[in-house]
Amino acid sequence: EDKVVQSPLSLVVHEGDTVTLNCSYEVTNFRSLLWYKQEKKAPTFLFMLTSSGIEKKSGRLSSILDKKELSSILNITATQTGDSAIYLCAVQSTGNQFYFGTGTSLTVIP
Amino acid sequence: DARVTQTPRDKVTEMGQEVTMRCQPILGHNTVFWYRQTMMQGLELLAYFRNRAPLDDSGMPKDRFSAEMPDATLATLKIQPSEPRDSAVYFCASGRGVGESYNEQFFGPGTRLTVL
Repeated sequence: EDKVVQSPLSLVVHEGDTVTLNCSYEVTNFRSLLWYKQEKKAPTFLFMLTSSGIEKKSGRLSSILDKKELSSILNITATQTGDSAIYLCAVQSTGNQFYFGTGTSLTVIP
Repeated sequence: DARVTQTPRDKVTEMGQEVTMRCQPILGHNTVFWYRQTMMQGLELLAYFRNRAPLDDSGMPKDRFSAEMPDATLATLKIQPSEPRDSAVYFCASGRGVGESYNEQFFGPGTRLTVL
């Protein structure tokens, strides 16, 4: 059964800390892995990682895909209270199906 | 300020009624996604389109759901007949894709559907 598992389920850190969120997958015929951020409203798309683009960076956020380990990490450095959100990971198969994880809830305390 | 718009923002209806949700993607975007989010199931992809043609709709219950793009500026998601279990927030997102890849998705504010 295809699945995506995220860990930890929740995380509480202090401002300025660095956090690492994990996403592991068992998906037949992997095409891409996507990261989203969701606060109280609509999700925000963060990154898409593929075999040809295994590392992405945007400001304090960065993500790496490890196809050998079937996993990805999302790093956030110098965290701010505005980073508090649920971070979702999804994997797209070559058949175009998407499989979502249940998310990691991040809380950044001032 | 380009953004994805969705209508209606909120919809309350009775079981058995038809529901139509509309999405206007950002001008120039060739890829449109429909997602559904519930507390129980989390975020799910229902369908997505590239250049108005469906690339995948395997996440959609075929017997009651249908998604179309009548033109490049409008995407619709219909439920007929609606059931209480369809209650959810439905998000539309658009982006620019080339071939099998895309690097962005911009989400609309969502339609909160309640089926009584």
